[in-house]
Amino acid sequence: ETGVTQSPTHLIKTRGQQVTLRCSSQSGHNTVSWYQQALGQGPQFIFQYYREEENGRGNFPPRFSGLQFPNYSSELNVNALELDDSALYLCASRAPLLSNEQFFGPGTRLTVL
Amino acid sequence: AQSVTQLGSHVSVSEGALVLLRCNYSSSVPPYLFWYVQYPNQGLQLLLKYTTGATLVKGINGFEAEFKKSETSFHLTKPSAHMSDAAEYFCAVSVTQGAQKLVFGQGTRLTINP
Repeated sequence: ETGVTQSPTHLIKTRGQQVTLRCSSQSGHNTVSWYQQALGQGPQFIFQYYREEENGRGNFPPRFSGLQFPNYSSELNVNALELDDSALYLCASRAPLLSNEQFFGPGTRLTVL
Repeated sequence: AQSVTQLGSHVSVSEGALVLLRCNYSSSVPPYLFWYVQYPNQGLQLLLKYTTGATLVKGINGFEAEFKKSETSFHLTKPSAHMSDAAEYFCAVSVTQGAQKLVFGQGTRLTINP
């Protein structure tokens, strides 16, 4: 069984640019969540996708957007990058029946210069 | 609103000593509680979880945690620390507001001294 995978591993962008991060959920998991983990902080919930629809969002501006595809994989898009967007971005997937447990990917480290 | 507080951003113990990482939560409903571990440059790995039933929960790598409703606590313990336990530990509570999300504490960095 393949776990949650994310790409790329690392990314360097400059302020004002746009970035797309990708996540493949664990087999059979139809719900994907994205979290932002700033250096020295706990992860913060960005949003969740279920059946290709966003069904919950944290305190993040609209320039953070996402997609979920029919195979349950997902993308996180961030427009107009700011220095404070530098963080580890974590994707987590959840199975329909094991609804209280989320499985995390290794993350994408984004650096904004 | 549900929240999690981890007491102590950094804990240092000797190899073989007891590990105690503290977590207090705030929740208006019976909580689902989790402990995750994060090794350097890696994602989060689930150590253990409390949903319902037995209040003493055993996890991987010899860790356990006890849910104490009266104290709103979910402290993580391990009887004997090993060098490989050095990592960042996060306590989290599951919150359902449309989406089901995890609300994390700030984390505790555990250092093991030889």
